[in-house]
This record gives sequence, structure tokens and C-alpha cells, in this order.
Amino acid sequence: AQSVTQPDIHITVSEGASLELRCNYSYGATPYLFWYVQSPGQGLQLLLKYFSGDTLVQGIKGFEAEFKRSQSSFNLRKPSVHWSDAAEYFCAVGLTGTASKLTFGTGTRLQVTL
Amino acid sequence: DVKVTQSSRYLVKRTGEKVFLECVQDMDHENMFWYRQDPGLGLRLIYFSYDVKMKEKGDIPEGYSVSREKKERFSLILESASTNQTSMYLCASSAGTSRSPYEQYFGPGTRLTVT
Repeated sequence: AQSVTQPDIHITVSEGASLELRCNYSYGATPYLFWYVQSPGQGLQLLLKYFSGDTLVQGIKGFEAEFKRSQSSFNLRKPSVHWSDAAEYFCAVGLTGTASKLTFGTGTRLQVTL
Repeated sequence: DVKVTQSSRYLVKRTGEKVFLECVQDMDHENMFWYRQDPGLGLRLIYFSYDVKMKEKGDIPEGYSVSREKKERFSLILESASTNQTSMYLCASSAGTSRSPYEQYFGPGTRLTVT
């Protein structure tokens, strides 16, 4: 069965430090890939997406992600974290033929220390 | 901007009550989804709809039903609420077009407590 793994439940970084959140998926074909962010008590906001083409994609709020087919990964990165980036981050994948459904990872909670 | 609204941010209901959660989107999207979110479990799909009056079960449909009488509105129904349905409920919609396949837009969520 298809699955999405976010191996880090909780990450703490200092403000100004770099960030990388990991996401791995298990599918035969290349899926559509997404990162969403959820601030406390809020819904999910789309950060960035990958459908095809350049494997390094830029998103909002200074985030980027790189698709690596050989590693079945789509890791999220930010060069310098701001305190307002503290939130929960979800990786999601969609497969053709699944009626536009997404499968979500279990999320990574990011804490930022000042 | 796409806007997805949910009827309540917080809801408290008693065990056995029938509960309606409403979701409305304003972008003429074909697809609508209901998820529940629990700590450590991420988002789990309850039901989705790809057209008016069309619905399909997601991964955890037990204890829930849905209704989509109009394109913009998708309702989640808890026929007889139980304490294990205490959760955050998120609604989402997507156009499902070739230009933006699978991209979902979320509402703010409804935190439901069943006592």
C-alpha cells in the first residue's frame, strides 16, 4: 500500500539556523508531492508542490524542497528559520488514478528557540 | 483566493447526539474532502466527493456519513456521536484539473468534543 513517512515527530532549531524536514514515500511511479504547514489552531496552508520538471521547487515563506527519485524523498528546507515558522509540517502525495486523493504523513512539529 | 469555510471552529456535543459539520467552498471546485486529525496520526480521510451527490468512502468512514446536495457544500454527519470521535475535523476542496491536480485547499477546522 502507498505510504508517506515523516521520520521526525518533533524538531527544535534555533532562530537563524537552517532547517531540513524529511519526507519519504513508497510508490512505484512518481507521485504529485506537496508540503503543507499548519499553525496552531488553523487549517493547512500549501507551502509548495512538485508535479514534474525541475526537481528543486520554491515555495512561499522562503521554503524550498528537492525531489530525489532515487531516494523516494521530497525534503523541505529553509536556509534561515524565523520564530514565526514554528508550526506543524505535513508532507503529502497524490497518485494518478486515485480521484485526486492525497495521502498525508503524520507530520513534523517544528519548535524554534530564540 | 480560494476560500473554504467551516460552520464552527469549536463544538461540544453529548454522546448519542446527531452532529452536522458544514463546509462551503467558493471556487466551484469539483472535489471536496473530510479529514479528521489526531495527534501522531496525521490527517486521515473520512469521505470525499467528486461531484454533486457523488461520494466515496475514505480510510475511516465508520460512524460517519456525508451529504453533497450542492456543488459548493459538503456536510459531514455523525449519526450518533461517541467520545472516540472527539477530534479536529478538516474540510478541503480541489479543482482536480490538469493544471492543478490534487492541490487541496483547507478550511480552518472544527474542533469537536464529545462528552
